[in-house]
Amino acid sequence: DTEVTQTPKHLVMGMTNKKSLKCEQHMGHRAMYWYKQKAKKPPELMFVYSYEKLSINESVPSRFSPECPNSSLLNLHLHALQPEDSALYLCASSQEGHLSEQYFGPGTRLTVT
Amino acid sequence: SQQGEEDPQALSIQEGENATMNCSYKTSINNLQWYRQNSGRGLVHLILIRSNEREKHSGRLRVTLDTSKKSSSLLITASRAADTASYFCALYTGNQFYFGTGTSLTVIP
Repeated sequence: DTEVTQTPKHLVMGMTNKKSLKCEQHMGHRAMYWYKQKAKKPPELMFVYSYEKLSINESVPSRFSPECPNSSLLNLHLHALQPEDSALYLCASSQEGHLSEQYFGPGTRLTVT
Repeated sequence: SQQGEEDPQALSIQEGENATMNCSYKTSINNLQWYRQNSGRGLVHLILIRSNEREKHSGRLRVTLDTSKKSSSLLITASRAADTASYFCALYTGNQFYFGTGTSLTVIP
C-alpha cells in the first residue's frame, strides 16, 4: 500500500469555524508533512513530524495547529482562518525524512469565506 | 529567495519530442528531487539524486546534477500527452527543504 489518503477532499468554512483536516498512511513511514499550496505556486512546507514529534514548524500562524496521534495519522486543526488561507493543503509521508522520497496525498481544497 | 529557480516557467512541445527543464539553486544541498503534479492534485515523486551523484535515469527520465554550478536538469524523452503536468525540483540542504518555482509542461498530441 503506497497510498496517502486525505479527508475531506473539499472544505468550505467561515472565518469563525473550527475544522480539521485528516491524513493517513500505512506504509510504515516515520515522517509526515503538511504543505500549503496556492494556485500556480510551489508547495510551502508548514510542519514536519518525525517519529510523532514535531521537528519543524516553518513559522506558521497559530490558527493552524498540527497533531500526530500516532505514526499513521496526521491532523491539521483549523481555527479563525482568513480568506488568504484558502489553498490546497497537501499531506505527505516519507521513510527517512527529507533523505528519501515523499509520497503525497491528493490534497484538501480549502476555501475560507 | 531560498527557492530553487526553474526555467523555463512554461514549455509546450509536440508529442514525441524531448523536454528539458532546469533548476538552479543558491546553497549547498544534500539531495535534489524532482516531482510531477497533475492539475492541482498531489505530487508524484520522480527521481532523487544525491549531492555526490551526477546523473540518474528512470525510464524516459534523465536527471543531471552539477553541484559546482548549483544546477540540475530533468530530461523527458519521447514525450507523451500524459506527461502534461507541472514539474518541480525540491532541494534538501540538510536542515531546510523547499520546492522550486516549477515548470509547466504541455505536450500536444
